[in-house]
Amino acid sequence: QVQLVQSGAEVKKPGSSVKVSCKASGGTFSSYAISWVRQAPGQGLEWMGGIIPIFGTANYAQKFQGRVTITADESTSTAYMELSSLRSEDTAVYYCASLPAWGQGTLVTVSS
Amino acid sequence: EIVLTQSPGTLSLSPGERATLSCRASQSVSSSYLAWYQQKPGQAPRLLIYGASSRATGIPDRFSGSGSGTDFTLTISRLEPEDFAVYYCQQYGSSPELTFGGGTKVEIK
Repeated sequence: QVQLVQSGAEVKKPGSSVKVSCKASGGTFSSYAISWVRQAPGQGLEWMGGIIPIFGTANYAQKFQGRVTITADESTSTAYMELSSLRSEDTAVYYCASLPAWGQGTLVTVSS
Repeated sequence: EIVLTQSPGTLSLSPGERATLSCRASQSVSSSYLAWYQQKPGQAPRLLIYGASSRATGIPDRFSGSGSGTDFTLTISRLEPEDFAVYYCQQYGSSPELTFGGGTKVEIK
């Protein structure tokens, strides 16, 4: 079964960007969907977008269109999620998931 | 766009009691693609049920899922202390798109 390991916590200024990585091991990376989900403090789970690496084209939730970019590098079995124009409301734990596996989560804090 | 509505928002029960959690979809969902997750504070969601009624590997048999169409249920037959958590239903498929319900918190009464 695939295991997902995410990059570490980030602290960012409003207006900047953050890029979170998600490295897969133990499974077939390219053929399965990788989704990005975020969870603001005390809130529920929110799908942001995802990609099937072998196809290369990502799709995004309408809420994040234009602000999020999801990519995948098949050579390193790593997926990336970049969120731009950060604001305080983007403070959340960001998860990658390749069902049923989930990464451990990456806390992104946006603060001036 | 499918919307998943979970009820109740909070369920206050005692250990040993039965918990019944509901997930209602705004339009019909394939049973093959309905899952339930458990989440504890500071942890990633943990898959309990997939395909509406199949238990994931290592999940105790006190957890069961049922339903079809627009109405799905997660039942915990006898609550253990470690079962007090937040539960989410999720619709998924072959694409990366996921839809989550708002969650039900099962708390100790």
